This record gives sequence, structure tokens and C-alpha cells, in this order.
Amino acid sequence: EVQLVESGGGLVKPGGSLRVSCAASGFTFSNAWMSWVRQAPGKGLEWVGRIKRKSDGGTADYAAPAKGRFTISRDDSKNTVYLQMNSLKTEDTAVYYCATWGLDYWGQGTLVTVSS
Amino acid sequence: DVVMTQSPLSLSVTLGQPASISCRSSQSLLDSDGNTYLSWFQQRPGQSPRRLIYKVSDRDSGVPDRFSGSGSGTDFTLKISRVEAEDVGVYYCMQATHWPRAFGQGTKLEIK
Repeated sequence: EVQLVESGGGLVKPGGSLRVSCAASGFTFSNAWMSWVRQAPGKGLEWVGRIKRKSDGGTADYAAPAKGRFTISRDDSKNTVYLQMNSLKTEDTAVYYCATWGLDYWGQGTLVTVSS
Repeated sequence: DVVMTQSPLSLSVTLGQPASISCRSSQSLLDSDGNTYLSWFQQRPGQSPRRLIYKVSDRDSGVPDRFSGSGSGTDFTLKISRVEAEDVGVYYCMQATHWPRAFGQGTKLEIK
């Protein structure tokens, strides 16, 4: 059974940094491209970015709101994908979901609150 | 960037009646590989999103056959043939043909 479990969310001040993690199981993680999607409170879904598998270069690409501030990385030895968020703004407050590339499997999400 | 526009934004339907949600894209979603990468997602209250439909009309495993997707180019539709109580939630379309991927605003389905 495919499972994605996010962790690391919390309260951070504007301008601060936070890293959230997503532990995967139930599939061959090293073969998978992975995605991050976020959802502000009471709002719709917003694409954040994705990371390719190492055999396809392992590179990450981002949507505009994340470019230059967020970094997606992966550790295939731990079956984990990360989202490092820097220079956080109040508008980054959201539930952050990791998902497989096709968005056929999602985690339960982790809430990041940016507030002074 | 591609913009996805859903209508209506809210829908109130009697149990057992059909429902239909429209999704329009600002550019054609037909990819150079011949596929059209348009998906539909359901988000029940308090839950993570769940993919229902991919490539316009392919239903995910476990999705009831009362859900169907159709369309081409820039116009797409999600239909529920007979709405049940468990269908309450928000429905999103999403395109994956062009980078970056983009979601529609969401359509909230409630029972009348």
C-alpha cells in the first residue's frame, strides 16, 4: 500500500525558514518523480513544484511563487522528499501536500503557518 | 501560463440527480504526444485530494462508474450520473500538458 507521510510543519515568523519532509513507502521511491502542492486555508490547490528521479537528472522545477525561495530535494536512501522553504511570507501559510508525480497518491498534508 | 476556469463554482444537487462541472483552459491541452493531460480531483471535507479521472476520461481504480470525464482541446466536463451523499466536497480540474501545472478554482458540491 502506497503511503506518503508529511512532517515538519509549524509556526514560523515572516522571513524565516522551514523544512518539511515526506516519507514514502509502498512503491519504489527511487524510480518516482515527486510533487509538492499547497492549499491556503479555505482556498484552492496550488502547484509548488516537482523533483525528477536521479536517473532522469534529479532536478527540481518550481511554480512562480516558489521559485528562488523554495528547494525540493530527495534522499532515496531514506525514501524521503523534502521541501526547504526560505524567506517565508505570510501568504505561504498553507497545508503542504506531497504527492506522486501523477497526483494519484497524496499525503495527509502538513500545516505551515507564517505569522509574527 | 495556462489558466483553468471552472463553472459553476458551487453546485447544489438533489440526491440521485445528475451533476456536471465544466472546466476550460486558456490553451489547448492536446500534447505533442497525442495525449490530453486533464485530470479531475475530489476533496472531501477535511481530507486530502483524491484523483478521480486522468487523461480526460480514464477513471482511477476504485472510482465509482457514476463519475465520467469528457472533452477535448480547451473544454472539459466532469459528470456525476447520480449524486450520492459521499460526493459532497470540492472538485478541481488540473492540466498537466503545459508547465507549470495548473488547477481550476474548484467547484463546491453540496446536497440540496
